[in-house]
Amino acid sequence: SQKIEQNSEALNIQEGKTATLTCNYTNYSPAYLQWYRQDPGRGPVFLLLIRENEKEKRKERLKVTFDTTLKQSLFHITASQPADSATYLCALDSSNTGKLIFGQGTTLQVKP
Amino acid sequence: GAVVSQHPSWVICKSGTSVKIECRSLDFQATTMFWYRQFPKQSLMLMATSNEGSKATYEQGVEKDKFLINHASLTLSTLTVTSAHPEDSSFYICSARGQGGGETQYFGPGTRLLVL
Repeated sequence: SQKIEQNSEALNIQEGKTATLTCNYTNYSPAYLQWYRQDPGRGPVFLLLIRENEKEKRKERLKVTFDTTLKQSLFHITASQPADSATYLCALDSSNTGKLIFGQGTTLQVKP
Repeated sequence: GAVVSQHPSWVICKSGTSVKIECRSLDFQATTMFWYRQFPKQSLMLMATSNEGSKATYEQGVEKDKFLINHASLTLSTLTVTSAHPEDSSFYICSARGQGGGETQYFGPGTRLLVL
């Protein structure tokens, strides 16, 4: 069956450390994968998109990797700050139609 | 950047009434909009795809007669929850893609619906 999975357990880290979140998928061959941030009671905010032919993409303190062999994407936040505390969602478009399938999200808590 | 708004941000209604939610792309034209639903502590689930000037396409298990979608212009899509019941209480979120058909989607802030 098709699945997209993120670590459902909350990730607690100390300010200044690097947070690493994982997104694994099964029985999909996405052309690209996206990461979003969602704060409580708010809609998702787009962070990064990585295509299947890209190994890594960076934006400021954010870095995303995409391994199509492992069927995995890793999302890193370096020099984390309490303001980075939120739920992070990965999403893929299985049919290249814009219909996104979301993982269940990982909640990150950065402690000062 | 691209901004998507939703109105209202929250609504409380009695069982059996209909509720309309608007989704607008403020600074770009959106040929395609998507409607998602999110239950507490769950992820977003796609309900339907709204294409300007044509009928919406619904995901499996979503009742098209209950969730009416209209995409009358390139900047506005509406979702009407007809004869709402308590089980329809949820967080409804829309997203929009630009005319260029780029992969990035921009999400609205969401509408929280509570049906009593």
